[in-house]
Amino acid sequence: AQSVTQPDIHITVSEGASLELRCNYSYGATPYLFWYVQSPGQGLQLLLKYFSGDTLVQGIKGFEAEFKRSQSSFNLRKPSVHWSDAAEYFCALSSGGSYIPTFGRGTSLIVHP
Amino acid sequence: SQTIHQWPATLVQPVGSPLSLECTVEGTSNPNLYWYRQAAGRGLQLLFYSVGIGQISSEVPQNLSASRPQDRQFILSSKKLLLSDSGFYLCAWSTSRGGTDTQYFGPGTRLTVL
Repeated sequence: AQSVTQPDIHITVSEGASLELRCNYSYGATPYLFWYVQSPGQGLQLLLKYFSGDTLVQGIKGFEAEFKRSQSSFNLRKPSVHWSDAAEYFCALSSGGSYIPTFGRGTSLIVHP
Repeated sequence: SQTIHQWPATLVQPVGSPLSLECTVEGTSNPNLYWYRQAAGRGLQLLFYSVGIGQISSEVPQNLSASRPQDRQFILSSKKLLLSDSGFYLCAWSTSRGGTDTQYFGPGTRLTVL
């Protein structure tokens, strides 16, 4: 069975500081990995995705994520956080042949001025 | 370009009343369609998904049901709402036959059952 773990329920950073949100997965083969962002009261929006190839993936809004097979991780990073980045972030995994993605429980990002 | 609509945006209903939430997708054909629920402070719970007209798969047994009467229309229903049905309901679509592609989410419906 596949699973996604986001170990941090809340993360608080100061505006301008760097950010790393953790995502660990469990899956027997190479997964398809995604990061989504959800602003309060809104739907989810794709930030970036990894299917294959370069393990460092660039996304929208200045985010990037690195796939590390040896650590079963797909952590999301941003060098300098803006107040508008305050939101809920979800890591997700899909596998070939399944219509159902697996989402992590989400990490709530709080940005202090 | 593709767009996804959900309505209503907010809904307040008494316990025991019926429910109908609608989701429509534009700009694509034969999408996979999904209904998710977010309870307060919790993650996404997949309720139903559909890979074609009239094809509905239920992930969680409950008093909700889903229907797909047209290719790009997905409806979530209940005959009698419970307090525990309160939450934020999200519709999503994807195009991949294998489910490996991006999911595109609607703006959501906030349901409060009193």
